[in-house]
Amino acid sequence: DGGITQSPKYLFRKEGQNVTLSCEQNLNHDAMYWYRQDPGQGLRLIYYSQIVNDFQKGDIAEGYSVSREKKESFPLTVTSAQKNPTAFYLCASSTDRGHTDTQYFGPGTRLTVL
Amino acid sequence: GIQVEQSPPDLILQEGANSTLRCNFSDSVNNLQWFHQNPWGQLINLFYIPSGTKQNGRLSATTVATERYSLLYISSSQTTDSGVYFCAVERDSNYQLIWGAGTKLIIKP
Repeated sequence: DGGITQSPKYLFRKEGQNVTLSCEQNLNHDAMYWYRQDPGQGLRLIYYSQIVNDFQKGDIAEGYSVSREKKESFPLTVTSAQKNPTAFYLCASSTDRGHTDTQYFGPGTRLTVL
Repeated sequence: GIQVEQSPPDLILQEGANSTLRCNFSDSVNNLQWFHQNPWGQLINLFYIPSGTKQNGRLSATTVATERYSLLYISSSQTTDSGVYFCAVERDSNYQLIWGAGTKLIIKP
């Protein structure tokens, strides 16, 4: 079955630690996205990538980093510079038609800072 | 930047009822999508609908781009329809969707 997987489902981090969230897709999509969702709110874009080895900052990129070495994978690192990282993180992918096409989402990772 | 407002923020209905959710946006857009987020957090794309009307089973959506709004209709609601419904728009083909705050729908058996 084609889809998007994210791991881990739950993640606990101590203050000052970097953590990496995994996102893998087998939909053969060129574009991938990372979003953050806080309770009772909509999604906010952290980073997106249209093609391998290229990515762009979204609205809230500070304190986060990404890489896109393979088409299937788009890991997100939450660094110690992110002041309030506790949130629900969602990865998505879509075909690339020169703009955002229908987006497909993974199940998410809930990050809690202890 | 573009503003996306959804109404109502909360909606509680009995099973079998019909509902209409609204999404207003403050500027012209080239892309509008409706999503459903279930109580466990999974987001599913319902419609890609920058203009016109689409139907999928008990759900349908209409976007009137010239008047800057979109409507999502749910007929004969089921408990599995519960969750949060989001609309998201893209203005400048820049791969950035702007999301509304959502409508939380609870369907009681």
